[in-house]
Parts: sequence; structure tokens; C-alpha cells
Amino acid sequence: SQQGEEDPQALSIQEGENATMNCSYKTSINNLQWYRQNSGRGLVHLILIRSNEREKHSGRLRVTLDTSKKSSSLLITASRAADTASYFCATDRSGGYQKVTFGTGTKLQVIP
Amino acid sequence: EAQVTQNPRYLITVTGKKLTVTCSQNMNHEYMSWYRQDPGLGLRQIYYSMNVEVTDKGDVPEGYKVSRKEKRNFPLILESPSPNQTSLYFCASSLGRVNQPQHFGDGTRLSIL
Repeated sequence: SQQGEEDPQALSIQEGENATMNCSYKTSINNLQWYRQNSGRGLVHLILIRSNEREKHSGRLRVTLDTSKKSSSLLITASRAADTASYFCATDRSGGYQKVTFGTGTKLQVIP
Repeated sequence: EAQVTQNPRYLITVTGKKLTVTCSQNMNHEYMSWYRQDPGLGLRQIYYSMNVEVTDKGDVPEGYKVSRKEKRNFPLILESPSPNQTSLYFCASSLGRVNQPQHFGDGTRLSIL
């Protein structure tokens, strides 16, 4: 498996429900980010969580990070049809490496 | 308006015909990067640049070249394109060190026949 893998690959929920997607990674990181992509468009940054943080909130988004398990989760509360998109996590590697690795993404569909 | 601009947005070309995809940012960002996105594989980093004249390989650099002569521009060059380089390409930039929030361009869809 590759650095930064999301699961599930696809998720379909009703409007108003919560959506949870997970990201696992393999190496120690400096920080982890979540991005959103609307069908074939450029990615939009949602939230960044540093390796020494455990939880972060931004509006209806809640991100957790468990460095011992090398995993992160993104929770979108009270989902809306406009949240329909693909969501990606992105990690770096600590130790001075400059590469960024994106996961394969979770495709979220919110049904009105 | 802060933006990353890629050109062209769409290109259909033939094997072996050199092409350049331009990328320009107006945010004075140090870090710029190129990614390709393929179904089921997510985004994979091709090359990145920490600053002017400083570039390095990402995870899938084969068949690509880049240059960073000015801070705002980071062109991607395919000297001899092949069909396996058919993909959706994104340029991104960020301020400072690695894995800061990146601003993405709208993408360039390349088809190599």
C-alpha cells in the first residue's frame, strides 16, 4: 500500500448525515492535510493538522490525527449536497524530505 | 486575486512531439510542484521546486523536465511524449516549507496519441 491511503474509496450518504473518511500513512510526518476536489477541478485546501496535534476543527470539519497508528480521519457533519466531491489526504515525510504524497481519495456523494 | 494559472487547459497531441505546459503563480510562493492524476492512483508528484534554480524529483519524474528560472513560473516539459503520459496534470504552489497549504491550478488534460 502507498503512503496516504484513504478509505472508504467511495461513500454515499443522505443530506444531513455525517460523513467520515480515513487516511493511513506509512512514515513519520510533519503534518497532514486534507483537500477537496470537485469533479476534475483543482484541489482546494481544507485543513492542516500538525504531527503534535490530535484534533482540529474548521466549521463543519473535524480532523483527528493518531500518529501512533499513522492514521487520520476527516468528519464532515450535517452534510450537504454541495459537499459531494473527492477528498484527499496529503502527507510529507519528516526528516527534511520535501516530497508530498497524496492518497487515492474518497469519493463522497451526498444525496439531497 | 491569488491564483495558479496553467496553460493549456486541454491538449491533444501525438507521440514524440515536444510540448510545454506553463504554470504561473502570483502569490510569491517559494514552493511549486507538478502532479499527475490518474484514475485509481490519486495524485502523484512529478517534480517540485523549493525556490529559483532549485528543483528535485518527485515520485514519477521519468519522461518529464522542469525549470525554475523565475519565482513565479514553473513549466513542465515533455520532450518526447508517449501515450502513458496521457493524464490530468496539476501545478500547485505554497509558501515556505514542504506540505504547507497548496494552491492548485485548474488542471491540464493531456492526451498523447
